[in-house]
Amino acid sequence: DQQVKQNSPSLSVQEGRISILNCDYTNSMFDYFLWYKKYPAEGPTFLISISSIKDKNEDGRFTVFLNKSAKHLSLHIVPSQPGDSAVYFCAASAPGAGSYQLTFGKGTKLSVIP
Amino acid sequence: DTAVSQTPKYLVTQMGNDKSIKCEQNLGHDTMYWYKQDSKKFLKIMFSYNNKELIINETVPNRFSPKSPDKAHLNLHINSLELGDSAVYFCASSQSGTGLEKLFFGSGTQLSVL
Repeated sequence: DQQVKQNSPSLSVQEGRISILNCDYTNSMFDYFLWYKKYPAEGPTFLISISSIKDKNEDGRFTVFLNKSAKHLSLHIVPSQPGDSAVYFCAASAPGAGSYQLTFGKGTKLSVIP
Repeated sequence: DTAVSQTPKYLVTQMGNDKSIKCEQNLGHDTMYWYKQDSKKFLKIMFSYNNKELIINETVPNRFSPKSPDKAHLNLHINSLELGDSAVYFCASSQSGTGLEKLFFGSGTQLSVL
């Protein structure tokens, strides 16, 4: 039962263009969403987050958009740089059992071509 | 100076053996976690510890046991290893475990059970 879905396993983008990574979720209890970035042989690192009370959060070249009615969020990277090549995980959080639990998607591998 | 460090990075062992993976964080965080990334690439939480108390325990076999001698360490012991235990195991920590703050991950331990 995949509560967080990243349907594109991979994405290739030219350097300087926009990268758009998508994420869908099924659990309406999710109220906090995060994106993590992972390089090979390293652990995931936090990138950006958004609360369900917002529909957009921006941090430099990274912007996350949340569409609650569609249960969809997306990460925009503009302009894309070769160093952005990594696997991007979408994660969602919901209250439960006295603490929040984080559910991850399978990840999308982004390749930025110089 | 690594914030979350786990050892070993690679672990190859035979079925039926018992092994441990160690994790240490120097961030002063209150909560530590173990995640498993299986062959399908999902990152799933196994355990978390907050101030030496187990607060999350997903349906993980009791062959897996977390041990936390202090809040800076959370080790993972695995008894009677099985082929299906082969995966990458990530240790992580966060400030308070509310689920609303970012996780800091170690670089992972790739476990191969032969």
